[in-house]
Amino acid sequence: AQSVTQLGSHVSVSEGALVLLRCNYSSSVPPYLFWYVQYPNQGLQLLLKYTSAATLVKGINGFEAEFKKSETSFHLTKPSAHMSDAAEYFCAVSPSTMNYGGSQGNLIFGKGTKLSVKP
Amino acid sequence: DGGITQSPKYLFRKEGQNVTLSCEQNLNHDAMYWYRQDPGQGLRLIYYSQIVNDFQKGDIAEGYSVSREKKESFPLTVTSAQKNPTAFYLCASSLLAGENDEQFFGPGTRLTVL
Repeated sequence: AQSVTQLGSHVSVSEGALVLLRCNYSSSVPPYLFWYVQYPNQGLQLLLKYTSAATLVKGINGFEAEFKKSETSFHLTKPSAHMSDAAEYFCAVSPSTMNYGGSQGNLIFGKGTKLSVKP
Repeated sequence: DGGITQSPKYLFRKEGQNVTLSCEQNLNHDAMYWYRQDPGQGLRLIYYSQIVNDFQKGDIAEGYSVSREKKESFPLTVTSAQKNPTAFYLCASSLLAGENDEQFFGPGTRLTVL
């Protein structure tokens, strides 16, 4: 079964510091990968997605993620944290229907990482 | 403005009552999804639908029911059989044109059982 693991349920950084949120996936074929952000009591908003066109993906709000097949990772980074980045971040995978046998379009989500930014 | 609307934002229910959560989209998306979110557990799929008049169970469908009579609408009913319904419920939709299609989310409904 395909899965997504986010290391660290809580990450705290100082304003201006590097943000690194970790995501590892399990898949026998290259999947499609997504990062979403959720602010308190709101829905999820897409930050970026990997679709095999380029391994380094740039998203909104200065975030980017690098797909590393050898490490089965898709970590999210931002060079300089801002107070407004405080939120919960979810990594998700869209498994190949060849393996998943399930529905095209379904996503498997990690459990999320809550990012705190200290002034 | 295209998007997904969910109503109500907050919902309170007495034990033993069924309640229906509304989800409407004007994005002309084929697929719609319902998720349940609990603290520290991420999003868990309840039901999904790829086409009108058809829907499939997700990972935690017990105690829930859905309908898809119109492309734009995918209401979720939380029945009295759901033992622990207090949670944040999220509706999403996607184009279903390919495996790399992202899902678009509504603002959510917070259900509390009194």
